[in-house]
Amino acid sequence: GENVEQHPSTLSVQEGDSAVIKCTYSDSASNYFPWYKQELGKGPQLIIDIRSNVGEKKDQRIAVTLNKTAKHFSLHITETQPEDSAVYFCAASTVANFGNEKLTFGTGTRLTIIP
Amino acid sequence: GAVVSQHPSRVICKSGTSVKIECRSLDFQATTMFWYRQFPKQSLMLMATSNEGSKATYEQGVEKDKFLINHASLTLSTLTVTSAHPEDSSFYICSARDLGTGSNPGELFFGEGSRLTVL
Repeated sequence: GENVEQHPSTLSVQEGDSAVIKCTYSDSASNYFPWYKQELGKGPQLIIDIRSNVGEKKDQRIAVTLNKTAKHFSLHITETQPEDSAVYFCAASTVANFGNEKLTFGTGTRLTIIP
Repeated sequence: GAVVSQHPSRVICKSGTSVKIECRSLDFQATTMFWYRQFPKQSLMLMATSNEGSKATYEQGVEKDKFLINHASLTLSTLTVTSAHPEDSSFYICSARDLGTGSNPGELFFGEGSRLTVL
């Protein structure tokens, strides 16, 4: 099955600086890569996703890049703010069976923005 | 946006009792819902896929007789932890996909989670 590794496990960044979180996956058939933000005691919220036919996607301060050859994808947060502090999870899935695909999550990164 | 609601958000029970957690899609129909378990400071682990009108599909290592899943309608799936023990204490999270229209799969929405503590 799919195996997703995520680094670093913890990351502290000065407010205003950029944060980068990296993930690698094992299943070359995976073609959907979402990123989730989870605040304490809450469920994950989708912040951005990318499909395998695209190499990069940006949404305001958040961007994701995908390298299918190397099987890795990264989350980039620019101009970080204290409210960006949370645990971030990457995930991968194979969208072969519409609506039934299973997400495999990375191990999570605890991001702390230092004011 | 679409919302998935879980109830209860927190529950404490005695060892040996059963606990039911509900997952509702509030403004869309979901033929498929997913149940995850998350231990402190760990990732989400998929327990089972809940299919409306049919049996759930359990992941390897998840006891189907212990974690009963019922998906009787297009907006409700329930997870019942039977004969709960302290090791079942965890954060249980459901998700549901809004199939929407068009050729691309819709977004997967997560509930707020249910924290189970078994004494």
